[in-house]
Formats: sequence, structure tokens, C-alpha cells
Amino acid sequence: DAEITQSPRHKITETGRQVTLACHQTWNHNNMFWYRQDLGHGLRLIHYSYGVQDTNKGEVSDGYSVSRSNTEDLPLTLESAASSQTSVYFCASSGRDRVGEQFFGPGTRLTVL
Amino acid sequence: GQQLNQSPQSMFIQEGEDVSMNCTSSSIFNTWLWYKQDPGEGPVLLIALYKAGELTSNGRLTAQFGITRKDSFLNISASIPSDVGIYFCAGRPQGAQKLVFGQGTRLTINP
Repeated sequence: DAEITQSPRHKITETGRQVTLACHQTWNHNNMFWYRQDLGHGLRLIHYSYGVQDTNKGEVSDGYSVSRSNTEDLPLTLESAASSQTSVYFCASSGRDRVGEQFFGPGTRLTVL
Repeated sequence: GQQLNQSPQSMFIQEGEDVSMNCTSSSIFNTWLWYKQDPGEGPVLLIALYKAGELTSNGRLTAQFGITRKDSFLNISASIPSDVGIYFCAGRPQGAQKLVFGQGTRLTINP
């Protein structure tokens, strides 16, 4: 069965370190998204991609970057982790046909000390 | 940016009761979706709506795409313990493939 996976599921890091969160989908979806979820803020869009080599900034992109070298993967990098980036991160993907129907991964809980 | 107002923020009900929640926007959306999130997991798509006025059911869940295209409603009939969780509405703006999410409605059920 097709799926979307994230790794690691839990990560503790220190302020200033570079961190990369992995997202892999086997749906063959063109569109991939990264969100962060914080209490009181719901899901906020960090970056998104509509296809290979395409990346776009979301509403809370500062301090984050993504690259899309193939259809299946969209890694999220925190260039220099800050305590404000402690959050739960979700990756999602959607196809061309049912635009808007995003399928979410299980999430990565990141703690920045 | 675009925002969705989802209400209520939380609900405490008895098992067997019906539940209603809604989402409103100041902008027009082409698609409305409803997701459910269980603790420690990612949101799961419940219902997707694509046309103004559309009414769609998924088991005990019924959702509607408002005529003005600026709102949507989700109803759950005869609630059961496994309905507990956080429900999110999401809207897709015209011409976009990204979604805007509501703040969520936390549903708690007393047995």
C-alpha cells in the first residue's frame, strides 16, 4: 500500500545545530507540504513543492529550507535550530487529480534545547 | 494571510449525542475538507467537498459546502468514544493547491 513516512519520529537537538527531517511518500504525488503544529496555532505551512526542483515558501518559512530532487522525498532542514522551533512537524502530499486532498505522515516531534 | 475561523474550540458531550461544528472564512474557497487527528498521529482526511451546496456523508459524519463558498459544516450523529479527537477544517483557495487550516475543535465524550 502507498504511504507517507517521516523520520525520525522524535528528535532532541541543541540550539544552533543543523537538523534535517525526512519525508518520503510512495503515492507518486506531485505536491508535498511541510507543516508545524503548535498549541493554539493549528497547522501552519512552512514550505511546499509542486514537483521536482520546485519549492515555495509558506507562512512560517524563516529558518527552514527544503529541496526536491525527486518525486518521493522532501527533506526539511533547520539551518540553525532555535528553541522557538520546538514543535511537531507534519509532512503531507497530494496528487494532481484530487487537488486539496492531502495525506499526512505520522509527524516528527522536535525538541530544541 | 487567509484565515479560517473554526468553532467551537472544544466540546464536551455525552456518548450518543449529535455534534455540530463549523468553519467560516472571509475568502472564497474552491474546496473544503475535514480532517480528524488522534493523539500522536497525523490528521486523517474524513470528507472532501468540491461544489457549493454539496452535502456529503461518510458513515455517521455529514459535511456541507456552504452556498456562499465561505463556510462549511460538519455533523457527527450518535457520537461514540472513538470519535474523540481534534477535528480540523481546511479550505483550498482559488488557483492554489495548498490548504488553509482552521484552529481545530477538540471533542471530548463522556461515556
